[in-house]
Amino acid sequence: GAVVSQHPSRVICKSGTSVKIECRSLDFQATTMFWYRQFPKQSLMLMATSNEGSKATYEQGVEKDKFLINHASLTLSTLTVTSAHPEDSSFYICSARDFRGSYEQYFGPGTRLTVT
Amino acid sequence: DQQVKQNSPSLSVQEGRISILNCDYTNSMFDYFLWYKKYPAEGPTFLISISSIKDKNEDGRFTVFLNKSAKHLSLHIVPSQPGDSAVYFCAAGGGADGLTFGKGTHLIIQP
Repeated sequence: GAVVSQHPSRVICKSGTSVKIECRSLDFQATTMFWYRQFPKQSLMLMATSNEGSKATYEQGVEKDKFLINHASLTLSTLTVTSAHPEDSSFYICSARDFRGSYEQYFGPGTRLTVT
Repeated sequence: DQQVKQNSPSLSVQEGRISILNCDYTNSMFDYFLWYKKYPAEGPTFLISISSIKDKNEDGRFTVFLNKSAKHLSLHIVPSQPGDSAVYFCAAGGGADGLTFGKGTHLIIQP
């Protein structure tokens, strides 16, 4: 149980274009999903918290107009990187928490974004 | 300001011995802690967690110890196996918040 998927696993896009990343909880319902980013040889940094049916909460320094988050159902959250720049190239990982209240978060396999 | 610290970037342990990974935190508001195992270009895999009201949690070969007064936790893996070689992240959270991660410790199990 507690499987989280992400799609795509890797994507290459040109500067100025937008990229959508999907995060799904496959065998449980998640009222809350989180988006993290990891730069090479660094730790995972929380970008935003996504709650089903409400606006996402962004961490300090994360541009909400650049990283659009939608959590339309209890099993799906999407992150759209708009007007991508090379400095947005990173490893993006989502996690989900089971709605039944456990504090444990289960992570997706990650998406490698490269902006050329 | 780093709220979760893993001061050892790497640790080498012989197969069959005990691996001890350490983690310190500064925020006394954290009320749960988790350990994750991670390979490059993959998402973290959940290993074990502990609530702040406990001082020990055990699951198979993995045991996590929490010392709240010292704001310190450790992960013990015994016996260590070659498949345990990976980067281990300590993470902390409170309420419904996202997790704060340490920088990770690269564990190398030597045959």
